[in-house]
Amino acid sequence: NAGVMQNPRHLVRRRGQEARLRCSPMKGHSHVYWYRQLPEEGLKFMVYLQKENIIDESGMPKERFSAEFPKEGPSILRIQQVVRGDSAAYFCASSPPLTETQYFGPGTRLLVL
Amino acid sequence: GDSVTQMEGPVTLSEEAFLTINCTYTATGYPSLFWYVQYPGEGLQLLLKATKADDKGSNKGFEATYRKETTSFHLEKGSVQVSDSAVYFCALRRDGSGNTGKLIFGQGTTLQVKP
Repeated sequence: NAGVMQNPRHLVRRRGQEARLRCSPMKGHSHVYWYRQLPEEGLKFMVYLQKENIIDESGMPKERFSAEFPKEGPSILRIQQVVRGDSAAYFCASSPPLTETQYFGPGTRLLVL
Repeated sequence: GDSVTQMEGPVTLSEEAFLTINCTYTATGYPSLFWYVQYPGEGLQLLLKATKADDKGSNKGFEATYRKETTSFHLEKGSVQVSDSAVYFCALRRDGSGNTGKLIFGQGTTLQVKP
């Protein structure tokens, strides 16, 4: 059973560009969480999605950030008009039912120049 | 709000030394508690967990006991190896109705083990 997959692993963008991060959950998992890890800090929750639904987006910045988890295909975290402060590692985790263990992907390291 | 506090690092030990990484939490109710490990350039891996008071989680020689009276979940290992060098994260999750299962992490503690 393949683990959680994220791509790209590294992404470089210039200020003002868009960043699109993809996450494919483990087989059989229908719950996806996104976390952000700023340099020298712990992970911070951003958003929790189930297929075609955003369940909890309390950790998402109010502007420029959006997430989706369509019926088919990976979950996407989209950052519009990136700024240098968006440089971070973005991790996706998936789980089966709600209170089961979350399994993390390897992360996407975003660098904004 | 809920929070997790870990001892600051880096923690530097010699091989075969005893390890303790302190973790305390603030939360209402009875959260589940976790330790995750992150090796350089990789994602987080679940190391161990405990879901109720007095539970002991253990894996790969690491142990942690859920202490409700002291709101702590300290990580211990009797004899560390160089391969244990990594960043360790303590986390909590509030369970039950109305909770979405999100994890709340401490800031992480870097462990360096020298041969």
